[in-house]
Amino acid sequence: GNSVTQMEGPVTLSEEAFLTINCTYTATGYPSLFWYVQYPGEGLQLLLKATKADDKGSNKGFEATYRKETTSFHLEKGSVQVSDSAVYFCALSDPYNFNKFYFGSGTKLNVKP
Amino acid sequence: DTEVTQTPKHLVMGMTNKKSLKCEQHMGHRAMYWYKQKAKKPPELMFVYSYEKLSINESVPSRFSPECPNSSLLNLHLHALQPEDSALYLCASSQPERGDLGGYTFGSGTRLTVV
Repeated sequence: GNSVTQMEGPVTLSEEAFLTINCTYTATGYPSLFWYVQYPGEGLQLLLKATKADDKGSNKGFEATYRKETTSFHLEKGSVQVSDSAVYFCALSDPYNFNKFYFGSGTKLNVKP
Repeated sequence: DTEVTQTPKHLVMGMTNKKSLKCEQHMGHRAMYWYKQKAKKPPELMFVYSYEKLSINESVPSRFSPECPNSSLLNLHLHALQPEDSALYLCASSQPERGDLGGYTFGSGTRLTVV
């Protein structure tokens, strides 16, 4: 089956620290992988995506590389800001049903000034 | 216009009430979704419409009734809900065949409280 496992939070960092949020997946076939961000009281926003192995998605200083050999899609940012405080969800699309996504449990990031 | 608009933003309803949630998008997407999100949990898929036809129903209780009047609109009709149905209800849209390429665009959600 298809599933996504994320590191448990919350993750608390000081401003300008390096961020890694781990995400691993299980899938039949070759899914696309996504990171979504949810700010308090809001819906989810697509942060970045990768559609095939070795692709690197990037946006707003965040990066994640689709690693087929380790079935991972870890989110990284070199220098976090207070405004990055949010919940981050890793997700994959069902390789045989593009309309069906599987979300990880979410990781809350708190960035302190 | 790259938004998915949901109304109302907040809704409080009694267990005997009938209400509707509305979602609208003007991105030309032909797949639309309803998700339910409980506090500190990931979104859970409820329904998928593809080309205005219901394509996925994730065994949702019949007190939730979706409707897709046209390619831009998606409704969720609510009747005889329970307090445990209180949650954030999220609408999303995507291109139907290639949701895996572009991902979803989510609305901001309707915060539903059942009393």
